[in-house]
Amino acid sequence: KAGVTQTPRYLIKTRGQQVTLSCSPISGHRSVSWYQQTPGQGLQFLFEYFSETQRNKGNFPGRFSGRQFSNSRSEMNVSTLELGDSALYLCASSARITGELYNEQFFGPGTRLTVL
Amino acid sequence: KQEVTQIPAALSVPEGENLVLNCSFTDSAIYNLQWFRQDPGKGLTSLLLIQSSQREQTSGRLNASLDKSSGRSTLYIAASQPGDSATYLCAPQWYSGGGADGLTFGKGTHLIIQP
Repeated sequence: KAGVTQTPRYLIKTRGQQVTLSCSPISGHRSVSWYQQTPGQGLQFLFEYFSETQRNKGNFPGRFSGRQFSNSRSEMNVSTLELGDSALYLCASSARITGELYNEQFFGPGTRLTVL
Repeated sequence: KQEVTQIPAALSVPEGENLVLNCSFTDSAIYNLQWFRQDPGKGLTSLLLIQSSQREQTSGRLNASLDKSSGRSTLYIAASQPGDSATYLCAPQWYSGGGADGLTFGKGTHLIIQP
């Protein structure tokens, strides 16, 4: 069974630009979550999508947004990039037992975003 | 605000030793807790998942225990090997009225196993 895949793996952007990252979950998983990892703040939860609906959101500004498609693939968008957005962005997928509760989460390799 | 603390922050031991990594969390009403390892520049690999109703889980040389009432979890690694060198992360998950929250991570324990 293929794992979680993320594209692209590396990205370099300049301040003010926008970026879109993609995540394909494990086959059969309908929940996709996004996390940001930086040396200073560690791993922080961005948001979670289940059945094309955002179910939960972390404490990030509105410049960070996402969506999920009918095949459970998810995209994350960051608009008006800032230097502080440089980070490793990780996607995780999970097979929810019910509509509200999580099962084990599996992570992809991440997208390394550098903002110049 | 829920917080997760991992002790020690770093650990270096010779190969073959048994070791314990500690994780504490501020709110005992967790739904589950996962342990992960992360190799430099890579994503997270799930090691063990403990549901709130369980006391421990085992996988190979790894054993994770959970004491909800005291807000603690430990990861025990037996007979450590150089390949175990990585950062180990603890991530409880809480359930709020609106549904399950995202994972909350500790800062991790950076482990080095000396050959």
